[in-house]
Amino acid sequence: DIQMTQSPPSLSASVGDRVTITCRASQTIGNYLNWYQQRPGKAPKVLIFGASSLQSGVSPRFSGSGSGTDFTLSIISLQPEDFATYYCQQSYTTPYSFGQGTKLEIK
Amino acid sequence: QVHLQESGPGLVKPSETLSLTCTVSGGSISYYYWTWIRQPPGKGLEWIGHLYYTGTTNYDPSLKSRLSISIDTSTNQFSLRLSSVTAADTATYYCARGPLTDSGYIFDSWGQGILVTVSS
Repeated sequence: DIQMTQSPPSLSASVGDRVTITCRASQTIGNYLNWYQQRPGKAPKVLIFGASSLQSGVSPRFSGSGSGTDFTLSIISLQPEDFATYYCQQSYTTPYSFGQGTKLEIK
Repeated sequence: QVHLQESGPGLVKPSETLSLTCTVSGGSISYYYWTWIRQPPGKGLEWIGHLYYTGTTNYDPSLKSRLSISIDTSTNQFSLRLSSVTAADTATYYCARGPLTDSGYIFDSWGQGILVTVSS
């Protein structure tokens, strides 16, 4: 099975800041890497697919990059609604797996 | 806009079978894959398994011996059955559309989730 490791587990930032979250796969997954945002008590919402493609309707303040085993999610100009937990997910092969999450909190 | 809604008991006794149904509205269940994902309290997301509208399934190997996912295209519903449950199966269970094979194999629409507690 492919293990996904995110860092950091938590992150404090202020409105207007730029943040970066990293995700590493235990083996190469090409660009089969997706990012989700989960607000408290809500279902996850897809932000980025294929490592760098923005899902329809998602703010362009979100961007993704990487390939192989190392990936990043960047958010610029943080807004209050961005404070949530972010998960990476590999869709290269089943069993599909998620990172453990990065909780983005307001400083 | 497709809408998914989970339903089923919120409390299941240890050793019994957890059964959930996902009702899909606003679109057809045909020609897509459909997935179950769970999230233990305070923890991350776990893929359980998926099936194609034809009934072909793909399960997490760690759950495969206890798991069954099925579909009823006539009612636009798909279901999860997990047998011999323990406290470790306590989680919020989500149904989702996907993986979408033309969009990075994402899960693009999710139900609101249903908390299932395993306890006597």
